[in-house]
Amino acid sequence: GEDVEQSLFLSVREGDSSVINCTYTDSSSTYLYWYKQEPGAGLQLLTYIFSNMDMKQDQRLTVLLNKKDKHLSLRIADTQTGDSAIYFCAEKTGGFKTIFGAGTRLFVKA
Amino acid sequence: GAVVSQHPSRVICKSGTSVKIECRSLDFQATTMFWYRQFPKQSLMLMATSNEGSKATYEQGVEKDKFLINHASLTLSTLTVTSAHPEDSSFYICSARPPESGAEQFFGPGTRLTVL
Repeated sequence: GEDVEQSLFLSVREGDSSVINCTYTDSSSTYLYWYKQEPGAGLQLLTYIFSNMDMKQDQRLTVLLNKKDKHLSLRIADTQTGDSAIYFCAEKTGGFKTIFGAGTRLFVKA
Repeated sequence: GAVVSQHPSRVICKSGTSVKIECRSLDFQATTMFWYRQFPKQSLMLMATSNEGSKATYEQGVEKDKFLINHASLTLSTLTVTSAHPEDSSFYICSARPPESGAEQFFGPGTRLTVL
């Protein structure tokens, strides 16, 4: 079935880079997303990548996609305390549903 | 970017009552809206896809008669939790997709429902 998995927790020091990893199972996925959720709030789309791309950079964010291994990562450069949140990986499947991972809680230490 | 609002942001109700949650796209028309449920420290679970002017498509395991969805206009979808019970307590999030967008959904801020 369709599934998205990601590690549940990541702790980094302020100023370091954060790398959040995600794996998915649907080889016919069309888009892959990273969302950010702050406490008690909805989801904010951070970035997305087409399945025919292998990298996308947007300011401090770098998304890497390894389609062969069905592996997606989000790198946040110069991580700040304001980046502390839950980050969800999601894929838009060939059936046009969006499947979310369980979320990675990023904790940034000052 | 596009804005989606939800109302109310928080609601507490007694067991057995019905609660209506509104989802509005403020600056675009959304032919498709989605309703998700999120349990604490868990991912979003898609409940149903709402298409303007037609019946909603519910995901497997979601009770249609329990969670009534109405998408009466291109900017408004409502979710009514009927005869709410404590196990319905959750964070409900809607999202909306503009017709010209192939990729992006815009999420509302969510509604926290607590059933006593």
